[in-house]
Amino acid sequence: DIQMTQSPSTLSASVGDRVTITCRASQSISSWLAWYQQKPGKAPKLLIYKASSLESGVPSRFSGSGSGTEFTLTISSLQPDDFATYYCQQYNSYFTWTFGQGTKVEIK
Amino acid sequence: EVQLVESGGGLVKPGGSLRLSCAASGFTFSSYSMNWVRQAPGKGLEWVSSISSSSSYIYYADSVKGRFTISRDNAKNSLYLQMNSLRAEDTAVYYCARSAGASHFDYWGQGTLVTVSS
Repeated sequence: DIQMTQSPSTLSASVGDRVTITCRASQSISSWLAWYQQKPGKAPKLLIYKASSLESGVPSRFSGSGSGTEFTLTISSLQPDDFATYYCQQYNSYFTWTFGQGTKVEIK
Repeated sequence: EVQLVESGGGLVKPGGSLRLSCAASGFTFSSYSMNWVRQAPGKGLEWVSSISSSSSYIYYADSVKGRFTISRDNAKNSLYLQMNSLRAEDTAVYYCARSAGASHFDYWGQGTLVTVSS
């Protein structure tokens, strides 16, 4: 099975900071990677799919990059609404979908 | 507007059964694959099961294979998860989510809590 590893697990940042979260796959997943944002008590929300495609309605300060085994989610200028937990998900491996363990973005 | 509304969660004893439902609206349900994802208290997301638009293809995580059964009724715009032989480690919020085939999950329901405890 493909394993997804995110880093860091927790990130402390201030409003206006540029934030980068990394997701590594245990084997190549091409560009079949999505990023989700989850706030406490709420369902996850799709931000990015196919590694770099921005979901409709998602602010342009969010961007994704990478292919193969290494991927990044970047928030260009952190806003108060962005403090949340972020998950990557691979969907290259047929018949299984795997999430990373999550990265919590906290207020510094 | 796409809406997914889960129901059927609750408290059940170990070894017991529960059936979750997910009512879909705002899109052509029969054109999309559907999925169940769970999240144990304070933990991350875990994919549970997926079913293709016509129920031709069904997949399960190893952790639930043989105990859970996913199904759908396209006439009723509904997705189901029959959970048998429940264990304490199945305690989680269960989300249904939509996908266009074997792809990312673009819409999620609000979740329903399943607690397995004696």
